Amino acid sequence: DVKVTQSSRYLVKRTGEKVFLECVQDMDHENMFWYRQDPGLGLRLIYFSYDVKMKEKGDIPEGYSVSREKKERFSLILESASTNQTSMYLCASSLSSGETQETQYFGPGTRLLVL
Amino acid sequence: DAKTTQPTSMDCAEGRAANLPCNHSTISGNEYVYWYRQIHSQGPQYIIHGLKNNETNEMASLIITEDRKSSTLILPHATLRDTAVYYCIVRDPGDGMRFGAGTRLTVKP
Repeated sequence: DVKVTQSSRYLVKRTGEKVFLECVQDMDHENMFWYRQDPGLGLRLIYFSYDVKMKEKGDIPEGYSVSREKKERFSLILESASTNQTSMYLCASSLSSGETQETQYFGPGTRLLVL
Repeated sequence: DAKTTQPTSMDCAEGRAANLPCNHSTISGNEYVYWYRQIHSQGPQYIIHGLKNNETNEMASLIITEDRKSSTLILPHATLRDTAVYYCIVRDPGDGMRFGAGTRLTVKP
């Protein structure tokens, strides 16, 4: 079974703090993704990575950065947390399989509250 | 923009088949149809996906119309634990998942 783990299920931070959300997958997947999920807005893609040290902006990258130093780990960084970044953050990973569509597997999510 | 349209909510009796429809009239030839579900406060769980043929696995069946403009996810014997939000997604190759609002399925005893 694919396992995607996230460092925290719940997190409370103050405005202006630097926040690190960690994601680890154990299936040697090349691709990793960070999403946020908000009521009425569905899942929105923040950043993704197709390989170590590579990153691509998703639909809503503003206010976020990412780091992929090792294949199994993909970190999401909130440089200076703001209240509008209060959300559920979901990490996903998938295998690169050439032209066929790869299935993404999700972690349990981190519910972040910024006060 | 979500490329799919799903009903907002549905009910199903426990033990009965749950049939969840999805419209994707603008689907292109190389796009797959994916289904995920999300139980409250958990990450989305992969269910099944397909291109044009019907698919079946241990969780569900996926029926795709011949013109590929719509599909139906079938849970053959729904249980209370199948209560969740079900998402139908059409994906561009190599792109992230774009989830819409999904269908909230409530399985009732």
